[in-house]
Amino acid sequence: GESVGLHLPTLSVQEGDNSIINCAYSNSASDYFIWYKQESGKGPQFIIDIRSNMDKRQGQRVTVLLNKTVKHLSLQIAATQPGDSAVYFCAESFIEIIFGKGTRLHILP
Amino acid sequence: EAQVTQNPRYLITVTGKKLTVTCSQNMNHEYMSWYRQDPGLGLRQIYYSMNVEVTDKGDVPEGYKVSRKEKRNFPLILESPSPNQTSLYFCASSLSGGRVTNEKLFFGSGTQLSVL
Repeated sequence: GESVGLHLPTLSVQEGDNSIINCAYSNSASDYFIWYKQESGKGPQFIIDIRSNMDKRQGQRVTVLLNKTVKHLSLQIAATQPGDSAVYFCAESFIEIIFGKGTRLHILP
Repeated sequence: EAQVTQNPRYLITVTGKKLTVTCSQNMNHEYMSWYRQDPGLGLRQIYYSMNVEVTDKGDVPEGYKVSRKEKRNFPLILESPSPNQTSLYFCASSLSGGRVTNEKLFFGSGTQLSVL
């Protein structure tokens, strides 16, 4: 079975608000984590990554938080825009990469 | 433009008719991999290759073959497709081996396969 999962299959957010997508992982030895964005009809695209020696990493409008104590990963998207509408999934890596099932982010006008 | 190119984007075939899905990357990546994506199951790895002439089974290799004769190409072969192989397939690559060095994967646009 999957060792990486997401708490919600669908998340609806008002345009302009911040989005928070959560992910739980099970392998405490995982030392590299990635968030991907998959738009309809396209392949997954890398958004941001974080290594286990960090607890926060920021990109352009996105922030990834890593809590190794509870094995939790989150992706925060600031000022959500219509173009952010997609499925987001996390991946954990230690020797092999395991992907979560994904959360669909739906933007409300 | 750096990319992973898969062909075809859509394919409808019948049970037992051999098919090949091509994958090519222009980034000189050593590592390439095939995944299938099914509703509720996420991405599952079929086969991967750490370098030319080196291929290994992933989590769901049954019914599939791959080859890595050249660095840039990694075709996926279904010798005798069955309906349970109807899925969305993605090829991916990374610089030197996502499994070992923890590098991000670059994905192709996907191939939607339907086996009737």
